[in-house]
Amino acid sequence: DIQMTQSPSSLSASVGDRVTITCQASQDISNYLNWYQQKPGKAPKLLIYDASNLETGVPSRFSGSGSGTDFTFTISSLQPEDIATYYCQQYDNLPPEVTFGPGTKVDIK
Amino acid sequence: QVQLQESGPGLVKPSQTLSLTCTVSGGSISSGSYYWSWIRQPAGKGLEWIGRIYTSGSTNYNPSLKSRVTISVDTSKNQFSLKLSSVTAADTAVYYCARNGYSSGWYVHWGQGTLVTVSS
Repeated sequence: DIQMTQSPSSLSASVGDRVTITCQASQDISNYLNWYQQKPGKAPKLLIYDASNLETGVPSRFSGSGSGTDFTFTISSLQPEDIATYYCQQYDNLPPEVTFGPGTKVDIK
Repeated sequence: QVQLQESGPGLVKPSQTLSLTCTVSGGSISSGSYYWSWIRQPAGKGLEWIGRIYTSGSTNYNPSLKSRVTISVDTSKNQFSLKLSSVTAADTAVYYCARNGYSSGWYVHWGQGTLVTVSS
């Protein structure tokens, strides 16, 4: 099984700050890594797919990078509406499995 | 635009079987190349993939739940279903249904989620 870790588990930043979250896989997953935003009581929303591709309609302040085992998610300028929990998610087909990271809760300072 | 909606009992007794259905609208469940998945989230915790069914009917399950999970599809009703047997309090969670493409392992389309509580 592929395990995913995320850091930090939570962070507090000011509006306009650059925010970075890291996600690490227990083995090489190429670029099969996605990022989601989840607000309380809502389903997760896809932001980034395949490590660095911005989903249609998602603001450009969100970005992702990385490959192999180490990945980074960045909010270039934190906005009040970005308060949420962010999850990374890996997928593989040999064997088929999907694993989410434990999440990073982002708050406004 | 495809939409997904979960339905089923909100309360299940321990040792019984949890049964949920996801109704798909805005498109046929049997057209295209898609995986139809179940994902759950205990209160205040992270997301756990339960398993998926492909348009053809083939299934894949989370190894940690495989012995208790069955996912099936009813194309006549445009629905797919989850059965989780021998439930315990640890199975209490919000259950989501979701869709991803055959070659795309990301989830754009999600249901709103339904809370299932396991309690006597």
